[in-house]
Amino acid sequence: TAGITQAPTSQILAAGRSMTLRCTQDMRHNAMYWYRQDLGLGLRLIHYSNTAGTTGKGEVPDGYSVSRANTDDFPLTLASAVPSQTSVYFCASSDEEADTQYFGPGTRLTVL
Amino acid sequence: GQNIDQPTEMTATEGAIVQINCTYQTSGFNGLFWYQQHAGEAPTFLSYNVLDGLEEKGRFSSFLSRSKGYSYLLLKELQMKDSASYLCAVRDRDYQLIWGAGTKLIIKP
Repeated sequence: TAGITQAPTSQILAAGRSMTLRCTQDMRHNAMYWYRQDLGLGLRLIHYSNTAGTTGKGEVPDGYSVSRANTDDFPLTLASAVPSQTSVYFCASSDEEADTQYFGPGTRLTVL
Repeated sequence: GQNIDQPTEMTATEGAIVQINCTYQTSGFNGLFWYQQHAGEAPTFLSYNVLDGLEEKGRFSSFLSRSKGYSYLLLKELQMKDSASYLCAVRDRDYQLIWGAGTKLIIKP
């Protein structure tokens, strides 16, 4: 099985433009997460979803939005990108919120 | 506030043993995870501890002391492929994962 896929692999984006990062899992996991990873910092949670139809804010949600229309997909949208959103973005999933999280390959985003 | 502390970088020799420490202060405790992350790749799950003591899994072992807010990851018989970052994460009382910045482990021949 593919596990978790993310697209695109990398992207360069002009400041002020919008962008949606895609995440799809085929493990039928209930919970999904979006993290950003910056040099010298731990993974920081942006948004999460414990089950389809529900979402919640993590540690750094400002400037980002998510939706969870079905079990498999959890897109992350940047409405108006700023340079501070330059980062590596990881999507993860777990069977339930208390279970081990499994990560996608990541999207490297550069905002200029 | 919530805090996870790990050394930034460690160096060890191929074939040797290395211990990577993690200390934490969090709002509640519902388990501690160790992940491995090779450069440019996603984190991958290594181990999970929720009770005090040592969990052994092949060349890797993880130890937890909840009273001390302390864990370590022990890697034996080091191989060059073990060169990676090792991430410590604690699940708090709200079941959110709090992540350390990771320890970059460099293995020398």
